[in-house]
Amino acid sequence: DTEVTQTPKHLVMGMTNKKSLKCEQHMGHRAMYWYKQKAKKPPELMFVYSYEKLSINESVPSRFSPECPNSSLLNLHLHALQPEDSALYLCASSQVASNEQFFGPGTRLTVL
Amino acid sequence: ILNVEQSPQSLHVQEGDSTNFTCSFPSSNFYALHWYRWETAKSPEALFVMTLNGDEKKKGRISATLNTKEGYSYLYIKGSQPEDSATYLCAGGAGTASKLTFGTGTRLQVTL
Repeated sequence: DTEVTQTPKHLVMGMTNKKSLKCEQHMGHRAMYWYKQKAKKPPELMFVYSYEKLSINESVPSRFSPECPNSSLLNLHLHALQPEDSALYLCASSQVASNEQFFGPGTRLTVL
Repeated sequence: ILNVEQSPQSLHVQEGDSTNFTCSFPSSNFYALHWYRWETAKSPEALFVMTLNGDEKKKGRISATLNTKEGYSYLYIKGSQPEDSATYLCAGGAGTASKLTFGTGTRLQVTL
C-alpha cells in the first residue's frame, strides 16, 4: 500500500464548530506532515511529527491542534476557525531518514 | 529561509511539443530538490528527488537536471501528451523529516 488517504474530501464548518481532519498511511513511515494550501499559493508546512512526537510547529495558531495517536494516523483538530482558514489541507508521510514525502489528495475546508 | 521560485507560471503547448520549466532556489544551505506532478483533485505525485550537483534523472519522457552551485533545476518533457497536463511543483528540502518549501508551480496544458 503506497497511498496516503485523507478524510473527509470536503468539509464545510461554521466558526463555532469543532471538527477533525484525518490522515492515514500504511507504508511504515514514522514522519507525518500537515501542509496548508491557499488558492494560487504553494503548500506551506504547518506541523511535522517524527516517531509520533511533534517535532516542528511552524507557529500555527492554537485553533489548529494536531494529534498523532499511532504511527499510521495523523489528525488535525479544528476549533473556532476563521473564514481565512479556508484552504486545502494536505497530509504527507515519509521515512524519518528520508526527505521524500508522499502526499494525500487533501481535504478542502471551507469556514463560513 | 529557503525561497523557491518557478517559471513560467503557466504554459500551453501542442501535443508532441517538447517543453521545459525552471525552478530556482538559494544555492547556500541546499539539501535536496524535489519535483512533483499534481493533477487536479489528486495527490501530488513525486517525480524526482535530487541532491547532488549535476544530478540528472529520467522517468519515461520526463527528465530533470540539478545545478546546486547556481541554484536551479530544469524539468523537461519530451513529446508532450494531453495526459501530461498538470501543475508541476518543485520544492526545496531542508533535511530529513523536515519541511519542504514549495514554489508556486508551473501549470502545463497540452492540447491536441
